[in-house]
Amino acid sequence: EAQVTQNPRYLITVTGKKLTVTCSQNMNHEYMSWYRQDPGLGLRQIYYSMNVEVTDKGDVPEGYKVSRKEKRNFPLILESPSPNQTSLYFCASSSGQGSYSNQPQHFGDGTRLSIL
Amino acid sequence: AQSVAQPEDQVNVAEGNPLTVKCTYSVSGNPYLFWYVQYPNRGLQFLLKYITGDNLVKGSYGFEAEFNKSQTSFHLKKPSALVSDSALYFCAVRDYGNTGKLIFGQGTTLQVKP
Repeated sequence: EAQVTQNPRYLITVTGKKLTVTCSQNMNHEYMSWYRQDPGLGLRQIYYSMNVEVTDKGDVPEGYKVSRKEKRNFPLILESPSPNQTSLYFCASSSGQGSYSNQPQHFGDGTRLSIL
Repeated sequence: AQSVAQPEDQVNVAEGNPLTVKCTYSVSGNPYLFWYVQYPNRGLQFLLKYITGDNLVKGSYGFEAEFNKSQTSFHLKKPSALVSDSALYFCAVRDYGNTGKLIFGQGTTLQVKP
């Protein structure tokens, strides 16, 4: 089954404790992206990757890091989480090269992070 | 700057009645438009897209959307609503820049009552 898998689904942690949210897709997609969803703001892009070893900042990258060492994986790293990063996070992937593709993005089921 | 607006936070319809969820967009060129649905505790599921061609686009679960260039709208429709259609709906447009990102509206909650 074609899917985007995120782990963990839920996490409660404390300020400053480094955490990683993993994202894996099995569709051989070139493009991957992270979004955060906040009430009243819709979804906003954090980081994106056009392909292996090619990553760049989205609209709200502060406090986050990513890596793309393999095509299927795109982890989101919070080196020193803060309460304003409490949110619902989604990983997405699509075929083609991002803005040059008219293919829909496939989303994971989300990771709800609470930073105390 | 490109943007998407969903003017209604919530839409209420009775089961069996037609439904419309509104979306307007602002882009500098020809838009790539998408509708997604989000059920509780789940990710966004793709419903349909408009790239070019026929202004009436058919998608999953009996949904369709009408692209209107003069009104810059892309309203989601369904002839007969089901209770199971109750969910959060997002309209999105693909960014023309190099990010490949989707620019989302704020979302509309659809409530279908029996």
